[in-house]
Amino acid sequence: GENVEQHPSTLSVQEGDSAVIKCTYSDSASNYFPWYKQELGKGPQLIIDIRSNVGEKKDQRIAVTLNKTAKHFSLHITETQPEDSAVYFCAAPRNNNDMRFGAGTRLTVKP
Amino acid sequence: KAGVTQTPRYLIKTRGQQVTLSCSPISGHRSVSWYQQTPGQGLQFLFEYFSETQRNKGNFPGRFSGRQFSNSRSEMNVSTLELGDSALYLCASSLGQSANLHFGNGTRLTVT
Repeated sequence: GENVEQHPSTLSVQEGDSAVIKCTYSDSASNYFPWYKQELGKGPQLIIDIRSNVGEKKDQRIAVTLNKTAKHFSLHITETQPEDSAVYFCAAPRNNNDMRFGAGTRLTVKP
Repeated sequence: KAGVTQTPRYLIKTRGQQVTLSCSPISGHRSVSWYQQTPGQGLQFLFEYFSETQRNKGNFPGRFSGRQFSNSRSEMNVSTLELGDSALYLCASSLGQSANLHFGNGTRLTVT
């Protein structure tokens, strides 16, 4: 079955710097790779996703890259702000909406 | 559009009891999935319902069960509670397969 590994587990950056979180997956049949942001006391919220027919997708300060050959995908946040502080999860589907999540990355943006 | 609503937000139960959690999906969403979130195991898939039928099930014991009603609202039940069942239970709705999962804010269950 699908296995998703995520690194690093914690990440601290200065406001304005960039942050990069990386994930690897095991099932070569996976074709959808979402990233979720979870703030304290809330459920995860989708911030960006990518499908296997593209290599990169951007949405303002957030981008995701996908390398299907190496089976890894990354989240890039530029010009980080204190409100970006949260736990970020990558995921890949096993089947239907059975999502396998990475262990999460706690991002802290210091003002 | 209203988001995914989960009730109650907090529950405290005793070992051996049973509990029922409720989830109201976003209007028009027919798929409802349930996840358990713990510090040690992270986010783990419990099951998914689509049009009142269980479509997928994760690796949880039979004490964990669920159902979906004709209006897409879903409930999950945990019987014979154990201390290890203490967790945040999250419900997510979506339009279909491999689509954006919209999560509720969860029900935090504490078993004493």
